[in-house]
Amino acid sequence: AQSVTQLDSHVSVSEGTPVLLRCNYSSSYSPSLFWYVQHPNKGLQLLLKYTSAATLVKGINGFEAEFKKSETSFHLTKPSAHMSDAAEYFCVVSDNQGGKLIFGQGTELSVKP
Amino acid sequence: NAGVTQTPKFQVLKTGQSMTLQCAQDMNHNSMYWYRQDPGMGLRLIYYSASEGTTDKGEVPNGYNVSRLNKREFSLRLESAAPSQTSVYFCASSGQQGARWETQYFGPGTRLLVL
Repeated sequence: AQSVTQLDSHVSVSEGTPVLLRCNYSSSYSPSLFWYVQHPNKGLQLLLKYTSAATLVKGINGFEAEFKKSETSFHLTKPSAHMSDAAEYFCVVSDNQGGKLIFGQGTELSVKP
Repeated sequence: NAGVTQTPKFQVLKTGQSMTLQCAQDMNHNSMYWYRQDPGMGLRLIYYSASEGTTDKGEVPNGYNVSRLNKREFSLRLESAAPSQTSVYFCASSGQQGARWETQYFGPGTRLLVL
């Protein structure tokens, strides 16, 4: 069965410093992996996705993630945090049947001025 | 092009009441999904419809029913609401039936409070 673990429930950074949100996955086959962002009281927006092409995936708003099969990780990074990045971030793996998504528990990112 | 829309945005029910959450998409997508979001638990799949005319249970289907009315619309019904169903409900859609690489597009959510 597929599963996702987000290693931090809350991350706090200062504006202008790097962001690292950690995600490990478990999958019995080559997975599709996603990062979604949810701003307060909003729906979810896709940041980026990995679908077995390039292992370094670039997304919107300067975010990127690297798929590391040997470490079963898909960490999300951004070189310089902006106040508008404050939100909840979900790492997601896609099930092999029907395209169902399996969500991690979420990481809340706070950005201090 | 509105994407995925959900109604209502907010609802308060008393225990035992029924209601239907509506979802519609205008992207000509084949697959549609209903999730619930609870604090600290991410989103969990309630039901999904891989294509028009089919529906299947997800991770937490108990207490819910769904109807895929047509290709555009997918409704979620609570027959007898319970306080444990207090949650935020999200509808999503994706283009290709059953393709695990497909992006899912989410609606803005419905906040449901059951007293």
